[in-house]
Amino acid sequence: GAGVSQSPSNKVTEKGKDVELRCDPISGHTALYWYRQSLGQGLEFLIYFQGNSAPDKSGLPSDRFSAERTGGSVSTLTIQRTQQEDSAVYLCASSLAGEGEQYFGPGTRLTVT
Amino acid sequence: ILNVEQSPQSLHVQEGDSTNFTCSFPSSNFYALHWYRWETAKSPEALFVMTLNGDEKKKGRISATLNTKEGYSYLYIKGSQPEDSATYLCAFYTDKLIFGTGTRLQVFP
Repeated sequence: GAGVSQSPSNKVTEKGKDVELRCDPISGHTALYWYRQSLGQGLEFLIYFQGNSAPDKSGLPSDRFSAERTGGSVSTLTIQRTQQEDSAVYLCASSLAGEGEQYFGPGTRLTVT
Repeated sequence: ILNVEQSPQSLHVQEGDSTNFTCSFPSSNFYALHWYRWETAKSPEALFVMTLNGDEKKKGRISATLNTKEGYSYLYIKGSQPEDSATYLCAFYTDKLIFGTGTRLQVFP
């Protein structure tokens, strides 16, 4: 079956521009996570959606970052006024339930010039 | 702040060697412990999800144990092969999944 998909796969943007990253989770998965991996670093938690509950935004690094999940399915991560330190691979993962095995998308590589 | 610690940070072994890594996590409010393998230029893939104290799981040459009372899990690889080279991540679930920084394994032929 279809796995988690993310788009775009690569995004190059100029400093100060806004970007939107999209995640399509596996159908029926109630939990959706966003992570990022900066160069040489591990997986950094950003935000977690679980069903209809309020999202856990505790990992968002600044108020320039926001995310939404429409209809309990597709999620969009928005970064406003991008900075060079936002350059990273942004990974999305979904699971049947919050504690369940996570299925990762292929990631979006964001480069801010 | 919940800390998930992994050691060692990196490991280089020869093909055929057996090896193991450690994941330490808070022993309170335990719900689940995950292990993932993350190969370069790919996305992480789940190896095991463990929920019960004393759990032991095995997949081929890879196995894992869990001690929730003392807050640690071990991942073992028997007879390492070059294709086992990857970063191995553990993740602790309480109200969300928190990843450790991983153990980077390189297996030399």
